[in-house]
Amino acid sequence: AQSVTQPDIHITVSEGASLELRCNYSYGATPYLFWYVQSPGQGLQLLLKYFSGDTLVQGIKGFEAEFKRSQSSFNLRKPSVHWSDAAEYFCAVVLNTNAGKSTFGDGTTLTVKP
Amino acid sequence: NAGVTQTPKFQVLKTGQSMTLQCAQDMNHNSMYWYRQDPGMGLRLIYYSASEGTTDKGEVPNGYNVSRLNKREFSLRLESAAPSQTSVYFCASSGDRTDIGETQYFGPGTRLLVL
Repeated sequence: AQSVTQPDIHITVSEGASLELRCNYSYGATPYLFWYVQSPGQGLQLLLKYFSGDTLVQGIKGFEAEFKRSQSSFNLRKPSVHWSDAAEYFCAVVLNTNAGKSTFGDGTTLTVKP
Repeated sequence: NAGVTQTPKFQVLKTGQSMTLQCAQDMNHNSMYWYRQDPGMGLRLIYYSASEGTTDKGEVPNGYNVSRLNKREFSLRLESAAPSQTSVYFCASSGDRTDIGETQYFGPGTRLLVL
């Protein structure tokens, strides 16, 4: 069965430190890949997505993600974390673009220390 | 352009009561979705509608019904609420045909407590 795994439930980093959030998927083909961010009490907002081409994707708020087919991974990175980045981050995949159905990972909660 | 709107924002029900969660989008999207979000479990798809007039079950449809009233509106109904349906419910839409990959746009959520 198709699945999306975010191995880290909770990550704490210091402000200004670099960040990497992991995402792995299990599908037969390369799906469309997304990262969303959810601030407390809010809905989800798209950070970036990958569907083809350059495997390093730039998103909003200084985030980037790299697709690695050999590892079935789509990890999210940021060189220098800001306190406002504290939120929950979700990786998602879409396999059947006709329906647009997404499968979400369980999320990673990011805490930023001053 | 309001995006995706949901009503109500908060609701408390007693076990056995019914209610309908409303969702509307003004982006002319074809597809709409209902998710529930429980702590530590990410988002799980309840129902979705790939186009006006069609609906399909998602991962956790039991206890819910949906109506795609028109292209803009997609409602979720709980006929007989149970405490296990206490959750945060998100509506989303997608389907701008110029948008490869079907980015989903989410509403602000409805927080439901069933006592």
